[in-house]
Amino acid sequence: EAGVVQSPRYKIIEKKQPVAFWCNPISGHNTLYWYRQNLGQGPELLIRYENEEAVDDSQLPKDRFSAERLKGVDSTLKIQPAELGDSAVYLCASSSTTNREETQYFGPGTRLLVL
Amino acid sequence: GIQVEQSPPDLILQEGANSTLRCNFSDSVNNLQWFHQNPWGQLINLFYIPSGTKQNGRLSATTVATERYSLLYISSSQTTDSGVYFCAVGENNNDMRFGAGTRLTVKP
Repeated sequence: EAGVVQSPRYKIIEKKQPVAFWCNPISGHNTLYWYRQNLGQGPELLIRYENEEAVDDSQLPKDRFSAERLKGVDSTLKIQPAELGDSAVYLCASSSTTNREETQYFGPGTRLLVL
Repeated sequence: GIQVEQSPPDLILQEGANSTLRCNFSDSVNNLQWFHQNPWGQLINLFYIPSGTKQNGRLSATTVATERYSLLYISSSQTTDSGVYFCAVGENNNDMRFGAGTRLTVKP
């Protein structure tokens, strides 16, 4: 079974530019998460989707960040405009609430550098 | 929100040694997972263990939910065990909070 797929793997942009990250979860997983991981820290949840619905976005900086999960499968996370402090690894994870154990499976991440 | 503390922050072992990593959390949870982040950044789920004990090969984990802590045991450590070990806790999958991790280095 294919794992969580993310693209791009690396992105370098100048500040004030827009950037977008894409995630394809494991087939059949209805829950999708976006995390941000700063260097030397644990991942921080940005947003969680149950199917198409964003059910936990309290940590998403809504002034510049947006996310969507059309048709309840793939998801896109966007930053516009990017700031220097947005440099981090953006991780996507998925899980299935139909399983008794809601184990989260992570993608390889997108490493963003804002110059 | 829930506070998660992991200890020790860093651990250096000789290959073959055993180790215990600890995760303390500040509130009751019904979701607790242990992850290993390898040197290339990939997070791998090790255990889903909101309570009780589980074992998988050289790894085992125990969560005492009433006392708000979990332990990850690594026996006969190998160099491939190196990386950062994270504990994540939450209510179901709501507001999952990760600790700062334990960085493990296993020397040959």
